Amino acid sequence: NAGVTQTPKFRILKIGQSMTLQCTQDMNHNYMYWYRQDPGMGLKLIYYSVGAGITDKGEVPNGYNVSRSTTEDFPLRLELAAPSQTSVYFCASSYYRVDSPLHFGNGTRLTVT
Amino acid sequence: DAKTTQPNSMESNEEEPVHLPCNHSTISGTDYIHWYRQLPSQGPEYVIHGLTSNVNNRMASLAIAEDRKSSTLILHRATLRDAAVYYCIRLIIQGAQKLVFGQGTRLTINP
Repeated sequence: NAGVTQTPKFRILKIGQSMTLQCTQDMNHNYMYWYRQDPGMGLKLIYYSVGAGITDKGEVPNGYNVSRSTTEDFPLRLELAAPSQTSVYFCASSYYRVDSPLHFGNGTRLTVT
Repeated sequence: DAKTTQPNSMESNEEEPVHLPCNHSTISGTDYIHWYRQLPSQGPEYVIHGLTSNVNNRMASLAIAEDRKSSTLILHRATLRDAAVYYCIRLIIQGAQKLVFGQGTRLTINP
């Protein structure tokens, strides 16, 4: 199993540009999550999904959109990039069990200038 | 507040035990306590979790206080590869399992 795969690893955007961060998992997990991590800080939840076709907002959803058309994929869309969105983005997945651990990808480092 | 409280940093020596404390005084009866660690330039990695009783696995042990307001992650013999940021996290069940991260403890291991 590859686990959770995120692409790209790095990206530089200009203010106002758009992009999609890709996330795919091969563990047949129901739940998927997007977190962001600012320098020296813990992770904050952006969006999550409990299954294909179902998504919901986390702590910091503004400026982002998600979709979940398949169990495997959970892309994160930035529509109008702003410098405040400069961060490292982590995708994660887990089984539907109350105590299931989350499996994280290795992140996408995004810089908006 | 759903977040936990941990010391910002701790230091230990190689091959010695390490006890990482965590305060979660507002925890509810159904919240699990999870521990993750994050090595530089990597995503967080699951370490251990528990609800009420102490837990052991190949990586670490988790000691949970009887009142569940605090817990301690125990690394029995630290190695240089254990140097990381360790997060103590409450698992909130609201529609989905949501981990609410704090700032974590940066653990330094001296050779």
